[in-house]
Amino acid sequence: DTGVSQDPRHKITKRGQNVTFRCDPISEHNRLYWYRQTLGQGPEFLTYFQNEAQLEKSRLLSDRFSAERPKGSFSTLEIQRTEQGDSAMYLCASSSGQGGIYGYTFGSGTRLTVV
Amino acid sequence: AQKITQTQPGMFVQEKEAVTLDCTYDTSDQSYGLFWYKQPSSGEMIFLIYQGSYDEQNATEGRYSLNFQKARKSANLVISASQLGDSAMYFCAMSAGYSTLTFGKGTMLLVSP
Repeated sequence: DTGVSQDPRHKITKRGQNVTFRCDPISEHNRLYWYRQTLGQGPEFLTYFQNEAQLEKSRLLSDRFSAERPKGSFSTLEIQRTEQGDSAMYLCASSSGQGGIYGYTFGSGTRLTVV
Repeated sequence: AQKITQTQPGMFVQEKEAVTLDCTYDTSDQSYGLFWYKQPSSGEMIFLIYQGSYDEQNATEGRYSLNFQKARKSANLVISASQLGDSAMYFCAMSAGYSTLTFGKGTMLLVSP
């Protein structure tokens, strides 16, 4: 297992377009998290899944954002009608249980630029 | 709600010297975990060290140690013998109760030769 992988690494899109990102977690991890990181800030929580169930969503996750984890494995994050304020790094992480001493393993992120 | 405060936007250190990165936290939960992550310019978040709230000894991982002072709600990261490759953003984070990770704003560390 090579860790958490995210695709694509970079995405440039025009305002108003829809974009979808994919995250493949570590296979034995049952929890998957999405974070957003804007320039000069720490990552901010968006949502998380335990297996296929979406258990928590942040207020940051507007109606234009939707996340799925259909079979409890990979996850997708879709942003509809993108706005310039959506430009950020989108980080995915996975953990076994609540993370704890084993931590949360992050992917390399998808950097979104909305022009 | 949990809060992490990192008051040092940037720190400079010479190679081979030790450096301390400050982190204070706030939570009403008795059970929580504290984490430090390193983020190089490539963007990935690299896990460095973990301290549980009930751990009596400070955590250590190689050149990294966590100076945990529970009464002061501080969890400072100490990097000994800094290397050029240590130049990166460093984030303190906390997980409390059933919540997910909450991050601070980070500290940029620059190591000079």
